Amino acid sequence: DQQVKQNSPSLSVQEGRISILNCDYTNSMFDYFLWYKKYPAEGPTFLISISSIKDKNEDGRFTVFLNKSAKHLSLHIVPSQPGDSAVYFCAATLYNQGGKLIFGQGTELSVKP
Amino acid sequence: NAGVTQTPKFQVLKTGQSMTLQCAQDMNHNSMYWYRQDPGMGLRLIYYSASEGTTDKGEVPNGYNVSRLNKREFSLRLESAAPSQTSVYFCASSEGQGLYTEAFFGQGTRLTVV
Repeated sequence: DQQVKQNSPSLSVQEGRISILNCDYTNSMFDYFLWYKKYPAEGPTFLISISSIKDKNEDGRFTVFLNKSAKHLSLHIVPSQPGDSAVYFCAATLYNQGGKLIFGQGTELSVKP
Repeated sequence: NAGVTQTPKFQVLKTGQSMTLQCAQDMNHNSMYWYRQDPGMGLRLIYYSASEGTTDKGEVPNGYNVSRLNKREFSLRLESAAPSQTSVYFCASSEGQGLYTEAFFGQGTRLTVV
């Protein structure tokens, strides 16, 4: 029973264009969502987060959108750069659970020059 | 600025052998976690420690034990390794429960059980 799902294992985008990574969840109790970026042979690094009281959060080139009614969130990267090529994980948790994260399977983003 | 440090980075074990994965954080975080990552899957929580002196099972605890040695250190022990435990293991820490806060991850330990 996968509570957090990333249905696209991979995504290829041209440099300068928008990358959109998607994530769906099933547990309506989740109230905090995070995106992590992972390079090979490294640990995941935190990218951006959003709480359930918001529907959008921006940080530079990265924007996360949350649609609670659809139980869906997405990460937009604009403009995409070759250095953005990595695996992106969506994760969800409950406020009182801190770092106990439920992860999606990951989407491998490839940004081509 | 070390953050979360894991040792070793690589390990090969024979079936039935035991080993301990070490983790230390220097961010004065209250909570620490052990995750494993398998191909095609996201990270899954093995055990966590919400605060010094407490430990609890996560999603996939079977075959593992943990020790929260002090606030900084959280170790993961495999008593009798099995091929199904071949995985990449990540330690993480966060400020604590009841906070909207991210977890910080170590570089990982790649474990192969033959």
